[in-house]
Amino acid sequence: QKEVEQDPGPLSVPEGAIVSLNCTYSNSAFQYFMWYRQYSRKGPELLMYTYSSGNKEDGRFTAQVDKSSKYISLFIRDSQPSDSATYLCAMSAPQGGSEKLVFGKGTKLTVNP
Amino acid sequence: DAGITQSPRHKVTETGTPVTLRCHQTENHRYMYWYRQDPGHGLRLIHYSYGVKDTDKGEVSDGYSVSRSKTEDFLLTLESATSSQTSVYFCAMRAGPADTQYFGPGTRLTVL
Repeated sequence: QKEVEQDPGPLSVPEGAIVSLNCTYSNSAFQYFMWYRQYSRKGPELLMYTYSSGNKEDGRFTAQVDKSSKYISLFIRDSQPSDSATYLCAMSAPQGGSEKLVFGKGTKLTVNP
Repeated sequence: DAGITQSPRHKVTETGTPVTLRCHQTENHRYMYWYRQDPGHGLRLIHYSYGVKDTDKGEVSDGYSVSRSKTEDFLLTLESATSSQTSVYFCAMRAGPADTQYFGPGTRLTVL
């Protein structure tokens, strides 16, 4: 079992739809959870991060962590064509200073006008 | 790209030639990383550095070496490039809370 699993999609939705992107993980030591957005031919950019369980909201984006189920989600409300990108989840466990991120493979999202 | 640049941005080379990719940051962060990104594999860590002259291997380090003689520069070297090293290479630096990493724009490398 891979440490982080992410459905690669592709996911295609109409403009204005609510999008749900998800990752599951197996390492219960993960404490930090991140979502990155990557436009075509660009580097990943940090979208949101959360520590431990709970929700975090930033504009149209909500990140949710359920540590009991080892499941994280990113919700995008009122999706826009400009949200079309690949979304990567990432997570890490404190390891005394040499923390490394473990990434999902990414979900490709297309929002159609 | 949060104060991190990569050079060159594109390179085509031939099998067996040495190649060096450069990552430069302007923010004095201690941790830097090199990844490769391939379809079906996602981002995979090659090497990382936790200070000047302090480096360690990632999950796909074979065929790659790194050096860090200054805080701001992290070099990735392919001693003898192979076609399997054709990929997009990203450099990142760790900054801010929660182990967040910030990525450079990437180098697209083709080995013929």
